[in-house]
Amino acid sequence: AQSVTQLDSHVSVSEGTPVLLRCNYSSSYSPSLFWYVQHPNKGLQLLLKYTSAATLVKGINGFEAEFKKSETSFHLTKPSAHMSDAAEYFCVVSSPFNQAGTALIFGKGTTLSVSS
Amino acid sequence: AAGVIQSPRHLIKEKRETATLKCYPIPRHDTVYWYQQGPGQDPQFLISFYEKMQSDKGSIPDRFSAQQFSDYHSELNMSSLELGDSALYFCASSLRRTRPEGKNIQYFGAGTRLSVL
Repeated sequence: AQSVTQLDSHVSVSEGTPVLLRCNYSSSYSPSLFWYVQHPNKGLQLLLKYTSAATLVKGINGFEAEFKKSETSFHLTKPSAHMSDAAEYFCVVSSPFNQAGTALIFGKGTTLSVSS
Repeated sequence: AAGVIQSPRHLIKEKRETATLKCYPIPRHDTVYWYQQGPGQDPQFLISFYEKMQSDKGSIPDRFSAQQFSDYHSELNMSSLELGDSALYFCASSLRRTRPEGKNIQYFGAGTRLSVL
């Protein structure tokens, strides 16, 4: 069985400071991992994905994540937070096999607050 | 680029009524997924379809049913609605026949917010 654990339910940063959202995964094989962002009353937007290619993955809006198999982690980072980054962030795992219809399994989410 | 379209965006129903949610996947996508996100919760997988056949089943109540039509759009039918069904319902789509690095990348619609009174 696969699962993800987001280690922080809420992270607060100041504008211009680095962002770190932590995620650990559990899987019996090397999974596909994603980060999705959800702004208030909005849908889910894909930030970035890891699908067994490069371990350092760059996404949209300056976000990146590094897949570390030894630590079973896939932490999301950004060098400098912007007010518009305030949102709910979900770490997501899926089977690495290209099976049609395979469900995504979401973490509980981390709320990122950015203060000026 | 065209995205996943869900309708309606908002729906208000009474208990024991029925509701139908519609999802139009990204053009040429062959797989559709339904997720339910309760207030303050993470999205939970309900059901998926590939090429009009049910592919995977999650925590979908027996009161709910879904199907994918020949034009690949999907409908989620919900009967005997309960207060606890109030949630944001997301549809996502993906393309089965992708390059390896595109495995199971699901693109989400904006969701349908269902309120059961």
